[in-house]
Amino acid sequence: DQQVKQNSPSLSVQEGRISILNCDYTNSMFDYFLWYKKYPAEGPTFLISISSIKDKNEDGRFTVFLNKSAKHLSLHIVPSQPGDSAVYFCAASADHYGQNFVFGPGTRLSVLP
Amino acid sequence: GAVVSQHPSWVICKSGTSVKIECRSLDFQATTMFWYRQFPKQSLMLMATSNEGSKATYEQGVEKDKFLINHASLTLSTLTVTSAHPEDSSFYICSARPRVRTYNEQFFGPGTRLTVL
Repeated sequence: DQQVKQNSPSLSVQEGRISILNCDYTNSMFDYFLWYKKYPAEGPTFLISISSIKDKNEDGRFTVFLNKSAKHLSLHIVPSQPGDSAVYFCAASADHYGQNFVFGPGTRLSVLP
Repeated sequence: GAVVSQHPSWVICKSGTSVKIECRSLDFQATTMFWYRQFPKQSLMLMATSNEGSKATYEQGVEKDKFLINHASLTLSTLTVTSAHPEDSSFYICSARPRVRTYNEQFFGPGTRLTVL
């Protein structure tokens, strides 16, 4: 059973518009969440994180929202750029200082010029 | 930012041979390194966690005798796939957690594509 779900395998957005990537989790013990971006044949790159004590974290064009009651988080990219086209992974951890992250299956974002 | 390298970036080998993949943290010391495997169109699956100077901790279902992990220094971890078979063909990615950190982050290497014929 997947503990971290990204139900949209792919998403296409026009350049300049907002991209919203969603992630749901089932384990209520998760308290730290990260988003990674991955280009083909490369390792994931850390994008942004959020702790369960917050409901929003913003870094430039990237904002992550956390809804603990719904066990849902989302990544907003505004404005979307063609260079944002990649696979985005949501990851969750039950221990802020711990070892293990559980990754979602990823969402492939295509930003169309 | 923190850089993690992997070598080789891709390797093709014959069935039955062993392959070693290196993971290095180039500009920081990593007390913990992680090894992941990614199948096509699937997520990253954690294989094992290694702490410098101690034995690796393997995830359930990962054969420790097949996937040998050595973390000999604060900047180097190696994964050796022993007696590789075609089903071991995959994309292997390592990550490293800095010794000095404020967040629970991992920095990923670029990955190694292993193809076993």
